[in-house]
Amino acid sequence: GNSVTQMEGPVTLSEEAFLTINCTYTATGYPSLFWYVQYPGEGLQLLLKATKADDKGSNKGFEATYRKETTSFHLEKGSVQVSDSAVYFCALSDYGGFKTIFGAGTRLFVKA
Amino acid sequence: EAQVTQNPRYLITVTGKKLTVTCSQNMNHEYMSWYRQDPGLGLRQIYYSMNVEVTDKGDVPEGYKVSRKEKRNFPLILESPSPNQTSLYFCASSPSSPGGGYGYTFGSGTRLTVV
Repeated sequence: GNSVTQMEGPVTLSEEAFLTINCTYTATGYPSLFWYVQYPGEGLQLLLKATKADDKGSNKGFEATYRKETTSFHLEKGSVQVSDSAVYFCALSDYGGFKTIFGAGTRLFVKA
Repeated sequence: EAQVTQNPRYLITVTGKKLTVTCSQNMNHEYMSWYRQDPGLGLRQIYYSMNVEVTDKGDVPEGYKVSRKEKRNFPLILESPSPNQTSLYFCASSPSSPGGGYGYTFGSGTRLTVV
């Protein structure tokens, strides 16, 4: 079946450091891929998405590229801020499917 | 403002006492879903609905019921709650099936404790 694997956290960075959160997936066909962010005490928010191979999703300085050859969708940001501290979830939905599967989440702490 | 509204935000109840968590969206979305979030397990799908009167099981449906009588509402019903249903619950909606590349809009969550 489909699955999503994220790097375990927590990830602790200093402000202005480069961020990478790894995400790999297993799926049949051509899934859509998503990153969501959850700030403390809130629901998840869609951060970015990509729907086909080589697509790059981007939002608020975050980027992720849909790599079919490595079945990956790693999240990157060039310079993190304290306000980026949150839990990040990678997710996939099968093409034409009705379910979304989430990874376990990666907690990011950014120190001033 | 486009949003998904869940109520209540916090609920403490006793084992076996029926409860309903409400979910409403104002975006005319066709697709709605319920998830539970538990530490170390991420989000797991309970039920989803493709449209009015069309619902189906997710990955962890046992102990839960849902209904979709109106497009905007998708309540989650626990007819006989047990302590293992203590969790953080999220309702989510999207314009159509997530397989079409549509992302979710999530509610703020309901933290349920069953004692």
